[in-house]
Amino acid sequence: QSVLTQPPSVSGAPGQRVTISCTGSSSNIGAGYDVHWYQQLPGTAPKLLIYGNTNRPSGVPDRFSGSKSGTSASLAITGLQAEDEADYYCQSHDKSLSALYVFGTGTKVTVL
Amino acid sequence: QVQLQESGPGLVKPSETLSLTCTVSGGSISSYYWTWIRQSPGRGLEWIGYIHYSGSTSYNPSLKSRVTISIDTSKNQFSLKLSSVSVADTAIYYCARGSYYGSSGSYYDYWGQGTLVTVSS
Repeated sequence: QSVLTQPPSVSGAPGQRVTISCTGSSSNIGAGYDVHWYQQLPGTAPKLLIYGNTNRPSGVPDRFSGSKSGTSASLAITGLQAEDEADYYCQSHDKSLSALYVFGTGTKVTVL
Repeated sequence: QVQLQESGPGLVKPSETLSLTCTVSGGSISSYYWTWIRQSPGRGLEWIGYIHYSGSTSYNPSLKSRVTISIDTSKNQFSLKLSSVSVADTAIYYCARGSYYGSSGSYYDYWGQGTLVTVSS
């Protein structure tokens, strides 16, 4: 169902930098639509982390940053902390016959 | 602080209708795109559809024939009905507030805690 592809997992030691990619197509990210990112801690609902490719809602640490280029987007976590261990999802708008809004396949971040 | 809370049966029989309500507190239901999203191991996060406070709706084409989303502004609630359910509809159902972001549509800044709905006889 997901049309945005993410790596299943990434890992890093505390203090390191990790990046998560989100690959779409010409009907979503490549069409110029913005990308939003969510963090989902175990047993909880997703929480907005980044909106409009690069913007952090109030309260989100500046360790989290987003970028977008072409048909892909990326989420970077610098200074990785144990509390960052979670699932991360990207989301965008899609203009094809699929759902109006699409999510990524999700990436599990493990802090070693 | 805006809060959303889903309510409804946690068990639905195959071929019956799934009905959930989302109650919004701490803010008005006016404006925004009030959305239902579900999550299951096999299908990941799946957008079901939204209703704007004006009453306009949009649904996922894959579910459109079975989905109805309605709103009751007097109660600050919106609801989901999914008919003719099957085992494949077993999932955690979330309600969320969609904030408009121009031509790119919406992002979801507030979510309910989610409710597990199991389809089983």
